[in-house]
Order: sequence, then structure tokens, then C-alpha cells
Amino acid sequence: NAGVTQTPKFQVLKTGQSMTLQCAQDMNHNSMYWYRQDPGMGLRLIYYSASEGTTDKGEVPNGYNVSRLNKREFSLRLESAAPSQTSVYFCASSELMGDTGELFFGEGSRLTVL
Amino acid sequence: SQKIEQNSEALNIQEGKTATLTCNYTNYSPAYLQWYRQDPGRGPVFLLLIRENEKEKRKERLKVTFDTTLKQSLFHITASQPADSATYLCAPPRGGKLIFGQGTELSVKP
Repeated sequence: NAGVTQTPKFQVLKTGQSMTLQCAQDMNHNSMYWYRQDPGMGLRLIYYSASEGTTDKGEVPNGYNVSRLNKREFSLRLESAAPSQTSVYFCASSELMGDTGELFFGEGSRLTVL
Repeated sequence: SQKIEQNSEALNIQEGKTATLTCNYTNYSPAYLQWYRQDPGRGPVFLLLIRENEKEKRKERLKVTFDTTLKQSLFHITASQPADSATYLCAPPRGGKLIFGQGTELSVKP
């Protein structure tokens, strides 16, 4: 079992470029999330998908879009990258949002925007 | 506004001692709270969950308390080891989604 897999692990972009972060889980979880982690700020929720076919904004959605491609996959897109989006991005999944179940995280994608 | 605060200063302790980490929340009352461990360059890993009607929860050398009056959770590691060195995150839910504190870095010296 791979758990939650994120790609790429590292990426350097120039301001204005676009890219998509991919996330896949093999635990048959219903809910998936994208967080960003910055020094001193903790993990902040960008977007989430409570179930296949639904997506919603989290705390810091500006500049991002998401797609819940199927039950396994949840991608995060930066349409026009800005230096403020330099961060470590984590994808997570859980059995069902709103219950007490734990989140399973990927290893993170480290993005630098120049 | 609703806030979650963890001690931002790193905690340095000697091996064998008990480490105590604090998580305070304000302006809301979560029904439960989770604790995670994060190692450098890795994603967070779930450790423990405590519900509002539980005063204390234990798992091996870990103990979590939940004081809904003080709006505080304490996370204890007894007989600490250098392998316990990591960042520990508290995460109460808000609107059905987990919201994370900024984490406290623990360093256990041999």
C-alpha cells in the first residue's frame, strides 16, 4: 500500500507559469484535502473534496483551482504562479470528512516560485 | 476569531524526562482534537485523538488531556527518547475540517 502519493516532489517555477500538483490515494477514502505549510504558519487548508464529485474552498483558496478526477485522485492547479505561492504542499485523505477519522498525508511537494 | 495556538518556541529536554506540549484554542468548542507528529521533510502522521468527554487518553508513552473549561489540550511524552525529536501538531476540527496549529518542535538530547 502506497497510501497517499504526490507528484512532483520538487518544482521550481517562474512567476506567471502554471503547473498542476497530482495526488492519488489507494485507501478508498471519500475525502481529500490540499494544505500548504509555511514557516510559522502551520498547515493551512487550500481546498477540499468531501466526496467524489464535490470540491470546496478552504482557508486560503485564492490563486488555486482543484479537480477531483475520480475517487482516487485530487489535483491542485496554479494557473499563474506567484512568489507568495512558494511553499510545501501536502495532500491528505480521510475516510469521511466530518467524522473523527485521522488524516493520511503524502510526503509533500516543495514548490519554489522565482 | 477562532484561533489555535501552540508554543512556537522549540522545546529542548533531556532524554528520560517528560515533555509537555500545549495547544490552546479560542472562541469555539471543538468536539475532539487530534495530535500529529511531523518529521523534517515528511508529512504529518496521526498519533492520538481525544474527545470532549474524555479528560485523558493514553497510548504507550503518550498522554493527551483535554480541558474544555481552559480550552486547552496538553500532550505529554514520558521517558522521552532522542527518537521523539520532531514537530508536534494539534488539530481540532472546525466546520468538519481539521485545522492545524503551527506546531511545537521538540528536541530530546541524549
